[in-house]
Amino acid sequence: DVKVTQSSRYLVKRTGEKVFLECVQDMDHENMFWYRQDPGLGLRLIYFSYDVKMKEKGDIPEGYSVSREKKERFSLILESASTNQTSMYLCASSVPGTSGGLPYEQYFGPGTRLTVT
Amino acid sequence: GQSLEQPSEVTAVEGAIVQINCTYQTSGFYGLSWYQQHDGGAPTFLSYNGLDGLEETGRFSSFLSRSDSYGYLLLQELQMKDSASYFCAVRDRSWGKLQFGAGTQVVVTP
Repeated sequence: DVKVTQSSRYLVKRTGEKVFLECVQDMDHENMFWYRQDPGLGLRLIYFSYDVKMKEKGDIPEGYSVSREKKERFSLILESASTNQTSMYLCASSVPGTSGGLPYEQYFGPGTRLTVT
Repeated sequence: GQSLEQPSEVTAVEGAIVQINCTYQTSGFYGLSWYQQHDGGAPTFLSYNGLDGLEETGRFSSFLSRSDSYGYLLLQELQMKDSASYFCAVRDRSWGKLQFGAGTQVVVTP
């Protein structure tokens, strides 16, 4: 079974702090993703990575950066946390996609609920 | 712009059938997926439609009409454990990026 783990389930940080959220997957997946989930807004993509050291911005990258130094690990960094970054953060991984009929299912971690005060 | 529309909440009794509709408008389309998320849990994959038609997986079925930019998830013989949020998601690029809808909360009552 694919396993995606996240470093913390709950995190409380102060405004202005630098915050690191870590994600590790054990299935040798090329693709990794960071989402934030807010009520009524679904899952919104922050950043994704399709290979080591490769990253691309998602729909809401402002205020975030990422790092992928090893294939199994994808980190989300909040350079200076703000209260509007209080949210549930979900990491996911998947095999790479090519055009075709396969689902390229994304496997999600349990999430980190971050509160910025 | 890109958008996926699905109802915010559906309530039904045990044993009933529920249909969750999803209409989408995206820049690209390679398939429609459905994910289930229980309160406090991680989203988990339910089904995928890459081509028009119906896909059946046990009590759950999913349908896609690409010409109508429309799909639905059908939950049959509802059970209490089916109470969860259900998200439709469009794969809008060939390599696997997903656009998610806002989710439909399904509430199953005794």
